[in-house]
Amino acid sequence: GAVVSQHPSWVICKSGTSVKIECRSLDFQATTMFWYRQFPKQSLMLMATSNEGSKATYEQGVEKDKFLINHASLTLSTLTVTSAHPEDSSFYICSARSSGNTGELFFGEGSRLTVL
Amino acid sequence: GEDVEQSLFLSVREGDSSVINCTYTDSSSTYLYWYKQEPGAGLQLLTYIFSNMDMKQDQRLTVLLNKKDKHLSLRIADTQTGDSAIYFCAEAEGAGKSTFGDGTTLTVKP
Repeated sequence: GAVVSQHPSWVICKSGTSVKIECRSLDFQATTMFWYRQFPKQSLMLMATSNEGSKATYEQGVEKDKFLINHASLTLSTLTVTSAHPEDSSFYICSARSSGNTGELFFGEGSRLTVL
Repeated sequence: GEDVEQSLFLSVREGDSSVINCTYTDSSSTYLYWYKQEPGAGLQLLTYIFSNMDMKQDQRLTVLLNKKDKHLSLRIADTQTGDSAIYFCAEAEGAGKSTFGDGTTLTVKP
């Protein structure tokens, strides 16, 4: 079946560095992907909608200059956490629909970011 | 905006059935999902139901949807200790933008 893959699954970085997380749809094309963030013991919160070939749409309260999203192809969206700080430590998850507005929605396995 | 509500905790004995309930507010939801998350792990899709269905059964899992009341439930038959996890209910509208509940922590006692 359709799969969404994230890389890396786990990353530790120093404060002030930037970290890039990739989200790939492995056997389908996705014009739209979604990025979520999950704090410990909390639910997933939508951060932004990634649109292929155009700018991402950010949810209220999410800093677009802090969380850069690039959806350069129909199978790849990247989330870059710029100048990461310990409060950015979180679990980041992406999702994509397999086709149009009725296809099944698939989630990546998530990327755990720890900023020291 | 859209809202998804779940009870936070559920405890059952091994072998019993577990029923996790969820209510949502978005009447335009197309799919409703149940995900399982074990400690430190990502989301595992358990099952989903399309909004024009009332019930879906998959082995030990039964999903019931009452669209009129916007109520979704997940029943796990013969609950095992390995079923202990957090279960998230989520709804998705047309393009795939999803709203998640806060998760129900299921504890299965031997």
